[in-house]
Amino acid sequence: EVQLLESGGGLVQPGGSLRLSCAASGFNFSSDAMTWVRQAPGKGLEWVSVISAGGGRTYYADSVQGRFTISRDNSRNTLYLQMNSLRDEDTAVYYCAKAFGDSSGKFDYWGQGTLVTVSS
Amino acid sequence: EIVLTQSPATLSLSPGERATLSCRASQSVSVYLAWYQQKPGQAPRLLIHDASNRATGIPARFSGSGSGTDFTLTISSLEPEDFAVYYCQQRSNWPLTFGGGTKVEIK
Repeated sequence: EVQLLESGGGLVQPGGSLRLSCAASGFNFSSDAMTWVRQAPGKGLEWVSVISAGGGRTYYADSVQGRFTISRDNSRNTLYLQMNSLRDEDTAVYYCAKAFGDSSGKFDYWGQGTLVTVSS
Repeated sequence: EIVLTQSPATLSLSPGERATLSCRASQSVSVYLAWYQQKPGQAPRLLIHDASNRATGIPARFSGSGSGTDFTLTISSLEPEDFAVYYCQQRSNWPLTFGGGTKVEIK
């Protein structure tokens, strides 16, 4: 059974940093691209970033480019999102999800999310 | 950036009725469009990928169609568990983008 478990969310002040983790199990983690998607309270889904299976290619939304860094440790089956220079508008539930097929852009399994609150 | 516009914003229907949800792209995305279902407090769930392919375990009452800029998600006969928010998402161009969602509510 595929499982994705996010952790690392919490309350942080504007300008602060946080690192999210996503522990994966039940599939061959090193074979699939992975992504982060966020959802602000009461709002829709917003794609954040994606990383290729091997970690060599990454893409970011303009809203987080230069502030967030996606990475992965295939030996630990874990995906990360380093978030720096956090802003109020980064407040959201952050979901990790796995890609499938020949694409890094469609996602078949999602974690339950971790809440990040940016506030003073 | 490709903008996805979903309509209507809210659809009020009764169980057993047919639901038709629309997603329009600001430029062609070929067939690279997916549909997700999200219930309150839950993660999104993949329903349809590449415009018309049902994901594993998705009931046959869900179907997707379209190509280019106009796409439709159809639920042939609404079950009580289908009342939720539905999002479309394109993977044709970076950045990936989602539509604003359609809420299917009980009439």
